[in-house]
Amino acid sequence: QKEVEQNSGPLSVPEGAIASLNCTYSDRGSQSFFWYRQYSGKSPELIMFIYSNGDKEDGRFTAQLNKASQYVSLLIRDSQPSDSATYLCAVSEDSGGSNYKLTFGKGTLLTVNP
Amino acid sequence: KAGVTQTPRYLIKTRGQQVTLSCSPISGHRSVSWYQQTPGQGLQFLFEYFSETQRNKGNFPGRFSGRQFSNSRSEMNVSTLELGDSALYLCASSLMGGSYTFGSGTRLTIV
Repeated sequence: QKEVEQNSGPLSVPEGAIASLNCTYSDRGSQSFFWYRQYSGKSPELIMFIYSNGDKEDGRFTAQLNKASQYVSLLIRDSQPSDSATYLCAVSEDSGGSNYKLTFGKGTLLTVNP
Repeated sequence: KAGVTQTPRYLIKTRGQQVTLSCSPISGHRSVSWYQQTPGQGLQFLFEYFSETQRNKGNFPGRFSGRQFSNSRSEMNVSTLELGDSALYLCASSLMGGSYTFGSGTRLTIV
C-alpha cells in the first residue's frame, strides 16, 4: 500500500513569515510530486510539481525534493492570510507525465495570522 | 476557457439506490480521473479514463464504475449505495500526468 504522509497541522505562521510544509512517501518508485492547495469548501488546485531532486521555485513557492530520503516539501515565502488553506501532497509512479494516477496525503492545514 | 464541469453539485440518495455523476473535462483534455474525498480518508483514487478506455483503477468495490464518451465527457456510477459512500466526488481532467484541474465536485449524501 503506497502511502503519503503529511502532518495534519494546523500549522500557524504570522503574516510575512516562511511556511514550511512537509511530506514523506513510502514508494521508492515514485517519480513525480505535486502540491495542491484546497480552500475550505473548494476543490483542490495545482500549485506546482517537481520531478527532479533539488529545488524548484515559482514565485513565492519553492518545492524541494529529496528522493533518497523520500521527502518532498513546499516553502511559502512572505506568507499571506490568503495562503490559509489545506495543502495536499501527491505522488505518482511515472516520470514521463503519462501516469495520471496520484496518491494524495491527507493534507496540512495552514493558517496565516495577520 | 471553460473549466471542469460536474453535475449535479449536490445529491441526496437512500441506501440501496444507485447514482450517476457526470463530468465534462476542459476542452482538449482526454484524461478524466475520479476521486472520492472524505474527512477520514482524504482523496482516494477511483479510476482514470483516456480516450474512452479505463487505464487505471483504484481499490474500490465493483459497485463503483465509470465510462468515458467519445467527446471525453465521463460518468461514474455507484450502485447499491451504502452510508459510507457519502462523500465529495471530484472529477479532474488533465493534459499531462498528474497536473489536474479539478471540478467543483458532487456532494453525495446517503440517508
